[in-house]
Amino acid sequence: QKEVEQNSGPLSVPEGAIASLNCTYSDRGSQSFFWYRQYSGKSPELIMFIYSNGDKEDGRFTAQLNKASQYVSLLIRDSQPSDSATYLCSAGGTSYGKLTFGQGTILTVHP
Amino acid sequence: DVKVTQSSRYLVKRTGEKVFLECVQDMDHENMFWYRQDPGLGLRLIYFSYDVKMKEKGDIPEGYSVSREKKERFSLILESASTNQTSMYLCASSSPAGTGFNNEQFFGPGTRLTVL
Repeated sequence: QKEVEQNSGPLSVPEGAIASLNCTYSDRGSQSFFWYRQYSGKSPELIMFIYSNGDKEDGRFTAQLNKASQYVSLLIRDSQPSDSATYLCSAGGTSYGKLTFGQGTILTVHP
Repeated sequence: DVKVTQSSRYLVKRTGEKVFLECVQDMDHENMFWYRQDPGLGLRLIYFSYDVKMKEKGDIPEGYSVSREKKERFSLILESASTNQTSMYLCASSSPAGTGFNNEQFFGPGTRLTVL
């Protein structure tokens, strides 16, 4: 069974701090990694994807991938209350576009 | 604006009823997926389809079936609804995987199904 594990939450950070979300995956064949954000009562929306080892930055978000350690992370700089949501990590090979999702980490950013 | 729509946001059914959940995408995507989402369990794949009339079981297919007669439409069927199928059901679609990478999945708004 291919698994994606996320650090157990909930995670609470003060406004303006860096939020760090972590994820490990079991399938070494995984090649694509996606971070989705899901607000309460809403469906997941993509915020970052990463395919290559290293860092990828997009505004306040940085995704990090280490394939040797089978580890993916998402850093949110200058966290805002509007970042409060559940963050889903997912990993995929190339089998019909299937993704395996982690259980999600609830992030709360308090003023 | 890309869109995945689902036929109902909320649905209440009785045990033993046959239930149809419909999903339509307007992005001409080949791949379509049905997930259920339960607290603490994340998204679990029920079935997926990579082409019209093609379907594959996901991780938890028991008690479900699917139909894809047209490229844009993917239906999830609960043959005989049970209380343990009370959940949030999410449909998603994506374009085919490239060489060495997957493409993003786009999600519909979800259907919250309650089986009494």
